[in-house]
Amino acid sequence: DAGVIQSPRHEVTEMGQEVTLRCKPISGHDYLFWYRQTMMRGLELLIYFNNNVPIDDSGMPEDRFSAKMPNASFSTLKIQPSEPRDSAVYFCASSFGGRLGNTIYFGEGSWLTVV
Amino acid sequence: AQSVTQLGSHVSVSEGALVLLRCNYSSSVPPYLFWYVQYPNQGLQLLLKYTTGATLVKGINGFEAEFKKSETSFHLTKPSAHMSDAAEYFCAVKKETSGSRLTFGEGTQLTVNP
Repeated sequence: DAGVIQSPRHEVTEMGQEVTLRCKPISGHDYLFWYRQTMMRGLELLIYFNNNVPIDDSGMPEDRFSAKMPNASFSTLKIQPSEPRDSAVYFCASSFGGRLGNTIYFGEGSWLTVV
Repeated sequence: AQSVTQLGSHVSVSEGALVLLRCNYSSSVPPYLFWYVQYPNQGLQLLLKYTTGATLVKGINGFEAEFKKSETSFHLTKPSAHMSDAAEYFCAVKKETSGSRLTFGEGTQLTVNP
């Protein structure tokens, strides 16, 4: 069974460019999460969706960040314009159901470097 | 307020020695607790989780953790370390007040020496 699929795995871009990260959750999962991992801040939740609807976006750092989930099998995280401090690993994750004991499954991550 | 605290950002053990990675949680109600492992340049993989029931939880790769309410702890152990256990380990929590989100600790980098 395929896990959470993220693309691109690695991206290097110049400051000011638009970056789009993509995610395909595990089929049948109704929760989707975007996390960011940095040395300074560790793993932090940016936003999560339930049934394609954003539930909590309080972790989105600023207006340059936006996330969408147009359907149950696809989500994007966009940064426009990108800045060097956005360099991080961005993880997409998904889970089935809202029970707190349910496991959240993570993708391999998108390694973003903004120069 | 920090929900989980991992004591020790780096732990080093010899191959074959006991692995003990510490995690304490802060919660007035029993939380749901998870341990994840991250190998270099990879995503996070679930090792084990505590939801309800038995307080000693066994996971993959020979790891286990014990939920101790009196100590608000969920330490991760493995009797005998392998070189392949070298990775970063994250303790995480879900609470009723936080919805479905996972809140992670700072992580502990485990080094296994030959």
